Amino acid sequence: DMKVTQMPRYLIKRMGENVLLECGQDMSHETMYWYRQDPGLGLQLIYISYDVDSNSEGDIPKGYRVSRKKREHFSLILDSAKTNQTSVYFCASSSGLGLQNTLYFGAGTRLSVL
Amino acid sequence: GDQVEQSPSALSLHEGTDSALRCNFTTTMRSVQWFRQNSRGSLISLFYLASGTKENGRLKSAFDSKERRYSTLHIRDAQLEDSGTYFCAAEPYGNEKITFGAGTKLTIKP
Repeated sequence: DMKVTQMPRYLIKRMGENVLLECGQDMSHETMYWYRQDPGLGLQLIYISYDVDSNSEGDIPKGYRVSRKKREHFSLILDSAKTNQTSVYFCASSSGLGLQNTLYFGAGTRLSVL
Repeated sequence: GDQVEQSPSALSLHEGTDSALRCNFTTTMRSVQWFRQNSRGSLISLFYLASGTKENGRLKSAFDSKERRYSTLHIRDAQLEDSGTYFCAAEPYGNEKITFGAGTKLTIKP
């Protein structure tokens, strides 16, 4: 079963707290992504991972870092969360770079930073 | 992002009508993919196009093969289950970064 799983689905944190968003996929995909979705802005790329320990900044990496120690797991970390990081975060995976490789998305994590 | 402009931003239609969504690109794109996001937030891929057109049931998508500066998604005989937000994503040449449009929120009314 081709699946991208995100945990948790909902999260409320206070400003300054650390946040860990987890993503797993069962397709042995090399490429994984973290996006955030905000009203009127669509999905914005935070980080892309090409494989284990091979990560690259996306369009809006500031305030975020990532970790990929196993191919099936890709974590997004917010050190000292800010209120403007309130958003819905989506993880995605694909078998390679480029749109010819279908993007599979997780169900999203709705993060509120108070 | 700035490279992908979707229109309209929102659309409300009655069942049985046809609609056309559009994505314009500020630069030449290698390929485009259309997604639908349902009310629960799940994103599902509808079409991937590197050129030409693709059709699946009542949905048809086209990618301008000459200029490679726009793509369209046509929905024929709209049904209630077509409601959702439609996103296009595009990949430029020489760069694997995929840019999403801001989406079109489609509401189908009985």
